[in-house]
Amino acid sequence: GAVVSQHPSWVICKSGTSVKIECRSLDFQATTMFWYRQFPKQSLMLMATSNEGSKATYEQGVEKDKFLINHASLTLSTLTVTSAHPEDSSFYICSPRDAQTTDTQYFGPGTRLTVL
Amino acid sequence: AQKVTQAQTEISVVEKEDVTLDCVYETRDTTYYLFWYKQPPSGELVFLIRRNSFDEQNEISGRYSWNFQKSTSSFNFTITASQVVDSAVYFCAPGGKLIFGQGTELSVKP
Repeated sequence: GAVVSQHPSWVICKSGTSVKIECRSLDFQATTMFWYRQFPKQSLMLMATSNEGSKATYEQGVEKDKFLINHASLTLSTLTVTSAHPEDSSFYICSPRDAQTTDTQYFGPGTRLTVL
Repeated sequence: AQKVTQAQTEISVVEKEDVTLDCVYETRDTTYYLFWYKQPPSGELVFLIRRNSFDEQNEISGRYSWNFQKSTSSFNFTITASQVVDSAVYFCAPGGKLIFGQGTELSVKP
């Protein structure tokens, strides 16, 4: 149980383009989705929290117009990095929270984004 | 606000040694969960344990054991007879909205 997939696993793009990252909970329903970013040798930084069907809540310092989050269903959430720049290069990890076990968060395998 | 302090940034041990990773947390919640995750070099976080703040019994799972002391807000993790495959970054976090500390990078040498 608790299988989470992320796609793509890695992506390289040119500066100014947008990149969409998909996160799916394959064998459970996630009413809440968390998106994290991790720079090399650093901890995971929470970017935003979204509940299914609602707008995401962003952490301080995270631009909501740059990191668009959609959580349209209980098994799918997307993060779109709009007009990406080199400083957006990072490891992005989704974390769905299992609706049945409330506080248990599982993590996707992550997406490594490199912006040239 | 929640906060986690993992005072050991890096630990290096030789295989078969026991190692304890310390975790001190802060939370305003009266009841809460505590978690430990492992992040191997591949990057994917692996869920290790969820502990309810009501339950202060120590827990053992194979070579892993956890010591929860609510009075000192600590939730320490011990690996017995460490193996090279245990090399990873380990994170603890109080539940709700998981906010991570810096983690502890464990290196187990053969």
